[in-house]
Amino acid sequence: KQEVTQIPAALSVPEGENLVLNCSFTDSAIYNLQWFRQDPGKGLTSLLLIQSSQREQTSGRLNASLDKSSGRSTLYIAASQPGDSATYLCAVVFKKAAGNKLTFGGGTRVLVKP
Amino acid sequence: DGGITQSPKYLFRKEGQNVTLSCEQNLNHDAMYWYRQDPGQGLRLIYYSQIVNDFQKGDIAEGYSVSREKKESFPLTVTSAQKNPTAFYLCASSNQGMNTEAFFGQGTRLTVV
Repeated sequence: KQEVTQIPAALSVPEGENLVLNCSFTDSAIYNLQWFRQDPGKGLTSLLLIQSSQREQTSGRLNASLDKSSGRSTLYIAASQPGDSATYLCAVVFKKAAGNKLTFGGGTRVLVKP
Repeated sequence: DGGITQSPKYLFRKEGQNVTLSCEQNLNHDAMYWYRQDPGQGLRLIYYSQIVNDFQKGDIAEGYSVSREKKESFPLTVTSAQKNPTAFYLCASSNQGMNTEAFFGQGTRLTVV
């Protein structure tokens, strides 16, 4: 079964500390992996898309790595700020999935304390 | 502004009623998706469409119906057959192809009263 897991479910850090968010997936045959941010009661905002041929992707303070062989991706957020408080979701498009559908992890809820 | 618009933001349904959630995109994307989000369960796929006049069931399609008469529109109807419809519904779109980014709307929160 193709599954995506995010551990821990919640994380609290002091402002300024680097955030490390983990995502694991059960099948290494993927097309891509995408990281999203969700604020309470809102939709999903795309942060980074990593294609299967890439090892990492960067945007500002965000850096995401991908290791297909071990079925893992890590999202790094440097110098965290209170505004980074949100739920972060990773989603994978498995090659065996119909319709290029995204399979989501359960998310990691992040609180950055001032 | 390019993006995905969902309406309404909040919707209340009485027992036995059908309700329709709207999703419109102006990104010229071929593929559109409906997801349901429940606390502690993550997002689950209801229906998807890769081209106009064609759509496929996702993982939890029972009690839902969709149509795709126009490229930019993909409405979702929650029928009375859906026994537990209270949830947050999210619409998404993407280009066709294997390595394309998905974009989401702001969601509709449906509550049964």
